[in-house]
Amino acid sequence: RKEVEQDPGPFNVPEGATVAFNCTYSNSASQSFFWYRQDCRKEPKLLMSVYSSGNEDGRFTAQLNRASQYISLLIRDSKLSDSATYLCVVNIGNYGQNFVFGPGTRLSVLP
Amino acid sequence: EPEVTQTPSHQVTQMGQEVILRCVPISNHLYFYWYRQILGQKVEFLVSFYNNEISEKSEIFDDQFSVERPDGSNFTLKIRSTKLEDSAMYFCASSVRNEQFFGPGTRLTVL
Repeated sequence: RKEVEQDPGPFNVPEGATVAFNCTYSNSASQSFFWYRQDCRKEPKLLMSVYSSGNEDGRFTAQLNRASQYISLLIRDSKLSDSATYLCVVNIGNYGQNFVFGPGTRLSVLP
Repeated sequence: EPEVTQTPSHQVTQMGQEVILRCVPISNHLYFYWYRQILGQKVEFLVSFYNNEISEKSEIFDDQFSVERPDGSNFTLKIRSTKLEDSAMYFCASSVRNEQFFGPGTRLTVL
């Protein structure tokens, strides 16, 4: 089983739509979780950390279910500028920082 | 806003040669990382560095690779005896703890 799996995508949605991304991870000892976005041929950029209690940042909401080893990201009222690949990232490090990236889900927001 | 910088932006080398990729992390960050991304594939963790030593490394990071922090600002990745399959984008990142900031990457092309 792959360490971090995501919806294969791509997702093509109209402006203003709500879109949900799903991610599962295999290492039950994982301690920290993140969503990054990556524009084409650019570096990943941190979108938000994911906390057990769930967290929200404007139009973006992240949820973590440790029992199911599942992470989600919800984008409300999607904008054209949200078009990117969304990367689920899990820290599996035993002694430090060892971050495993999922393959990403590409989102295209259409006018 | 402080940012991670990387040089060069593009490096072309002949198979079997050694290359050094350079990074300047954000100045108050404590953790430093190297990742690679083969075109069309996911971001892969190579190594993390903390307190002047490697804290975690992946299976990819074998004897062909080494990292160094030669002074208070630079963080380098050396790849010895490059192979065709080393062609990829190499990203440097740094963090205070878990939330990483990535540099723009160095595109390495091995001919």
